[in-house]
Amino acid sequence: GQNIDQPTEMTATEGAIVQINCTYQTSGFNGLFWYQQHAGEAPTFLSYNVLDGLEEKGRFSSFLSRSKGYSYLLLKELQMKDSASYLCAVSDGANNLFFGTGTRLTVIP
Amino acid sequence: ETGVTQTPRHLVMGMTNKKSLKCEQHLGHNAMYWYKQSAKKPLELMFVYSLEERVENNSVPSRFSPECPNSSHLFLHLHTLQPEDSALYLCASSQVEATNTGELFFGEGSRLTVL
Repeated sequence: GQNIDQPTEMTATEGAIVQINCTYQTSGFNGLFWYQQHAGEAPTFLSYNVLDGLEEKGRFSSFLSRSKGYSYLLLKELQMKDSASYLCAVSDGANNLFFGTGTRLTVIP
Repeated sequence: ETGVTQTPRHLVMGMTNKKSLKCEQHLGHNAMYWYKQSAKKPLELMFVYSLEERVENNSVPSRFSPECPNSSHLFLHLHTLQPEDSALYLCASSQVEATNTGELFFGEGSRLTVL
C-alpha cells in the first residue's frame, strides 16, 4: 500500500522560517511533489524532487532523501499569504500520484 | 486560471438523481484525472485517463462512472450516490512522459452535496 505522512497543522510567525516534513512508503517511486492549496481553491504546483538533495525556488525550497523516504518543504520569510495547506505527493511510476493529508499552515503576525 | 475548467462549481443532489461533472483542459496535456477531496483525508485518486484510455480505477464504486471522449474533456457521471459521497471533486491534467506523471494542473473543483 501507499503511506504518506505529514503533520496536520503548523503555526509560524510572519517573517520566520518553517519546515514541513513528509515521510513516505510507496510501492514505487518516480518523484515527489509539493502543492499549495488555499482554502476554496485548486492545488497549485510548488516543487518537484526526483534526485536526492535540495531544490531552491525563491522563498521555497524542497529537500529529498530517497533512502530515508523523507522530504521537507522549507518556507523562508513567511508572509500572511503563505497561510494555506501544503500537500506532499509521491508518483509511483505507474501513472499514479498519491497525496498525504496535507499540512495546514497558519501564519500569524 | 490553471487552464483546467470544471463545471458545475457546486452541485446538490438527492440520492436518486443522476448528474454529471464536466472537466475541460486547454493545456494540450495527454492525461486527465479525477480526485476526491474529503475533509481531513488525503486526496483520493479515482480515475486516470492517459491518451484517452483508462489506466487506473482504484476500486471506485460503480455509482461513479467516468467518460473521456477526447484528450481535452473528462466527465464523471453520478447516480444513486450516498451522503458519504459528499466531497470536493477535483479534475487535473498533466503531460505524461514514460512513467512520469508530470506536474498536475488542477481545476477549481466541483463541490458535491448529496442529501
